[in-house]
Amino acid sequence: EAGVAQSPRYKIIEKRQSVAFWCNPISGHATLYWYQQILGQGPKLLIQFQNNGVVDDSQLPKDRFSAERLKGVDSTLKIQPAKLEDSAVYLCASSLDRGDPRQETQYFGPGTRLLVL
Amino acid sequence: GQSLEQPSEVTAVEGAIVQINCTYQTSGFYGLSWYQQHDGGAPTFLSYNALDGLEETGRFSSFLSRSDSYGYLLLQELQMKDSASYFCATPGGYQKVTFGTGTKLQVIP
Repeated sequence: EAGVAQSPRYKIIEKRQSVAFWCNPISGHATLYWYQQILGQGPKLLIQFQNNGVVDDSQLPKDRFSAERLKGVDSTLKIQPAKLEDSAVYLCASSLDRGDPRQETQYFGPGTRLLVL
Repeated sequence: GQSLEQPSEVTAVEGAIVQINCTYQTSGFYGLSWYQQHDGGAPTFLSYNALDGLEETGRFSSFLSRSDSYGYLLLQELQMKDSASYFCATPGGYQKVTFGTGTKLQVIP
């Protein structure tokens, strides 16, 4: 089966510009996650969708970050305006979710490396 | 809040056994997952413990003690390709997912 797809793979922008990332999860996966991973740190959950509803967005900087999941499938994450500290890898993951946490293996996409100058 | 603490770095010799620890403070605990991440790569799932005890998957084993809020990942017969970062994490789905601080494992000849 196809894995989680993300684009673009790399992006370089200047501060105060805007940027958008796209994610296509594994077909049939109900849960979609966006993470921010700064070099040398573990992934930090930004937002978690269950179908097209938000389960958790407590760590999403809502003054500049936004995310949506269209029709419970694809998702986009936007940053506007970007700051230097947003330089990181943005990972998208999906999981099947059958209501049993034991089924919640997350499958990660290759990530988008963002550099803000 | 939730927190999962791990040692930052571990070095071990090829062919040996290494243990990577994870201590956690979470609410609504549903188990502990382990992920491997090579430099420049994405995390990949290794193991999951829903209940106390040991889960074995080939050269990798994971252990959980909920009474001690503690788990570990055991890697046996270490290979050079095992050099990577390892993360414990709480599972997702309807539960809040949190990744640990991560342990960078270096395998030396």
